[in-house]
Amino acid sequence: DTGVSQDPRHKITKRGQNVTFRCDPISEHNRLYWYRQTLGQGPEFLTYFQNEAQLEKSRLLSDRFSAERPKGSFSTLEIQRTEQGDSAMYLCASSRSGTENEQYFGPGTRLTVT
Amino acid sequence: GQQVMQIPQYQHVQEGEDFTTYCNSSTTLSNIQWYKQRPGGHPVFLIQLVKSGEVKKQKRLTFQFGEAKKNSSLHITATQTTDVGTYFCADRSYNTDKLIFGTGTRLQVFP
Repeated sequence: DTGVSQDPRHKITKRGQNVTFRCDPISEHNRLYWYRQTLGQGPEFLTYFQNEAQLEKSRLLSDRFSAERPKGSFSTLEIQRTEQGDSAMYLCASSRSGTENEQYFGPGTRLTVT
Repeated sequence: GQQVMQIPQYQHVQEGEDFTTYCNSSTTLSNIQWYKQRPGGHPVFLIQLVKSGEVKKQKRLTFQFGEAKKNSSLHITATQTTDVGTYFCADRSYNTDKLIFGTGTRLQVFP
């Protein structure tokens, strides 16, 4: 399968713990995005990478959230000191810069903070 | 900030009936993309509209971009049970390609 993959698919953690998610984009895609989706809502933009450079970060994102894409391939999203309000589906998407720029989404990581 | 709203929030139709979802933005849209998300699934790209007044068709689906680039619509003719899901419009930024998603319309089709 050459689509976007995410790991883990599900994560249950206690409030206050740190969690880290991984995203492997489609190999030739230079752009990578993280979104968060809560039940009944559309995905909400979190951050964006072009190659290894993080070019934009949502103002809604607290300092507890950090993302990296060290070699311009896979990316990690870390949430420190998780809160119950962080419970959501975390979606990763990738695209290749060009005309259409459709984004290919991964299956997501569902985070539950108890 | 920019708000992208969709109506209706939910639509239940009998198989064979038509369906339309409307997407409205508080600001001028750059490019509009439409995605479909099946229950329990992830968003899947359907189409992109770029030009004012643009109309594109994909089999039973017709997509339209408003003349003022502040709204868009998706019309499905003769719905099928495979059309079930949530349809999202999204404004794509020119520079970064980041997407600002609409609120979505959930379509349920009864056989």
